[in-house]
Amino acid sequence: DGGITQSPKYLFRKEGQNVTLSCEQNLNHDAMYWYRQDPGQGLRLIYYSQIVNDFQKGDIAEGYSVSREKKESFPLTVTSAQKNPTAFYLCASSMPGISYEQYFGPGTRLTVT
Amino acid sequence: AQKITQTQPGMFVQEKEAVTLDCTYDTSDQSYGLFWYKQPSSGEMIFLIYQGSYDEQNATEGRYSLNFQKARKSANLVISASQLGDSAMYFCAMREYDMRFGAGTRLTVKP
Repeated sequence: DGGITQSPKYLFRKEGQNVTLSCEQNLNHDAMYWYRQDPGQGLRLIYYSQIVNDFQKGDIAEGYSVSREKKESFPLTVTSAQKNPTAFYLCASSMPGISYEQYFGPGTRLTVT
Repeated sequence: AQKITQTQPGMFVQEKEAVTLDCTYDTSDQSYGLFWYKQPSSGEMIFLIYQGSYDEQNATEGRYSLNFQKARKSANLVISASQLGDSAMYFCAMREYDMRFGAGTRLTVKP
């Protein structure tokens, strides 16, 4: 079955540690996205990539980094520079073009203490 | 930058009645797409309906319809015959070169 996988579902880290969230898709989509969602809030765009080896900052990129070495994979690293990293992180992918919806992974809930 | 506004943090509707969730957007582009997603308490994002900026007809998908008023830059979601399973967060989104979401509306369907 085609889809998007994010692992792990729950992640716990100590403050000051970098952590990498995984996102893999087998939908053959060109575009991939990372969003952050805080409790009761909407989705805020962190980074997106329209093509391999290229990515752009979203609205809240500070303290995060990404790579896009393969079409299928778009990992997100939450660095120690991110002041409030505890949140729900959603990865999405889509075909390029305004008429294509995004497909979402199940999300990773990150807790940093 | 594009902006999506959902002014209703929470809405209540009686089972089997219709409900409208509001969404306005701001863009200077002529070409864009508008989307609605549902997020149950499980956290998954479920695509509901799409409307293109050049589409003249309002989009419909089963019990969902999108009331698109381009001049007013609004794209309201109408859910007919509400069901208990419709209780969830609903997000409006707009796509130009990326996808941006509104803050969401929490819909509660009462039996």
